[in-house]
Amino acid sequence: DGGITQSPKYLFRKEGQNVTLSCEQNLNHDAMYWYRQDPGQGLRLIYYSQIVNDFQKGDIAEGYSVSREKKESFPLTVTSAQKNPTAFYLCASSGNTNSYEQYFGPGTRLTVT
Amino acid sequence: AQSVSQHNHHVILSEAASLELGCNYSYGGTVNLFWYVQYPGQHLQLLLKYFSGDPLVKGIKGFEAEFIKSKFSFNLRKPSVQWSDTAEYFCAVNAPFASGSARQLTFGSGTQLTVLP
Repeated sequence: DGGITQSPKYLFRKEGQNVTLSCEQNLNHDAMYWYRQDPGQGLRLIYYSQIVNDFQKGDIAEGYSVSREKKESFPLTVTSAQKNPTAFYLCASSGNTNSYEQYFGPGTRLTVT
Repeated sequence: AQSVSQHNHHVILSEAASLELGCNYSYGGTVNLFWYVQYPGQHLQLLLKYFSGDPLVKGIKGFEAEFIKSKFSFNLRKPSVQWSDTAEYFCAVNAPFASGSARQLTFGSGTQLTVLP
């Protein structure tokens, strides 16, 4: 069953702690993306990766970090430097064709108190 | 950088009413356009897309959208909505030849559609 998995679905952390969100895909897609979704603001791009061992900052990268050591995996770390980390985080991937369509995971809702 | 505007933040309709959700984008070059839908508790999924050709595109569940290049618009329509269409709808644009953003999507802020039974 192909797709994108994100875990966990809900995550709770104390302020000042770093936390890593998991994203795995078995679609054999080269490109992967992390978005943040806040009410009334749509999806905003945090980081993206076009190939393994390479990634670029999106529109709101401050306070986040990523790695892309394997094609299937693109974990996102929310660091203590992120001022408003409580949000819904979505991971996506896109294939190698010219379709530019992105496929999304179920998301992780992070709450930091 | 391109931007996407969805002016309707929350739309409430009765079943069988017609729907039109507005989407305008700012980029003047070649674009690929998308509508995504997020049903309660479900993944964001593609509703329809436009790359080239016929500006009227049809998607799943009876939705369609029309690309009007002169108006920089890609409005979503459905002739008769159902209660099951209650969801949040996102318009997105890709500018494949724009510098540094060939594969990125820029999303609008979303429109919450509530269909009353």
